[in-house]
Amino acid sequence: QAVVTQEPSLTVSPGGTVTLTCDSSTGAVTSGHYPYWFQQKPGQAPRTLIYDTSNKHSWTPARFSGSLAGGKAALTLSGAQPEDEADYYCLLSYSGVRVFGGGTRLAVL
Amino acid sequence: EVQLVESGGGLVQPGTSLRLACAASGFTVSRSYMAWVRQAPGKGLEWVSLIYSGGSLYAESAKGRFTISRDDSTDTVYLQMNSLRVDDTAVYYCARDRYCPTSRCSGYFDLWGQGTLVTVSS
Repeated sequence: QAVVTQEPSLTVSPGGTVTLTCDSSTGAVTSGHYPYWFQQKPGQAPRTLIYDTSNKHSWTPARFSGSLAGGKAALTLSGAQPEDEADYYCLLSYSGVRVFGGGTRLAVL
Repeated sequence: EVQLVESGGGLVQPGTSLRLACAASGFTVSRSYMAWVRQAPGKGLEWVSLIYSGGSLYAESAKGRFTISRDDSTDTVYLQMNSLRVDDTAVYYCARDRYCPTSRCSGYFDLWGQGTLVTVSS
């Protein structure tokens, strides 16, 4: 089974910009992995922010965006807010089998 | 209201079995891809299994021990877990991977249940 790797933790200043990345042990992440990004706050179920690389749900704040860069999937947060402090997970698909990354704990300080 | 409600969690001994249920309301599971995702205490998310019109898929950790199924008459998805191990202890979430009422799909993990806790301990 593939291993999906994310930064364990990142810190961003309020109003700042940060990029979280998602790497695959099998090689470059492509649109064929249909990358997802989820946000999870303590005690809550995850919430999907991005699907299929860059598509947003109706509830996804405009400051979040998804892309592919340097062989990885990326989630960029532009204009961080205190409420963005959370755990973020990416999910990749490998011929239908989904694999989560280990998650990135984002602090807004 | 469109929602998912899990049930069936509890405390069980290693080596035993448990069946989780996920009751869907407001949509049809037979036209959906439905997934189970788990989260061990203090750990990250782990995708467990998926059921869709074409069959089912499993994570390596679940293959041979877990079986996903669904009852279209009650719009309920199940996860039968056998030979449970201590490291299966987790909150198990049911989620709608996608909704495909026609040839086009939508949703994309838009719905999650509240989770049900499974504790495997002697």
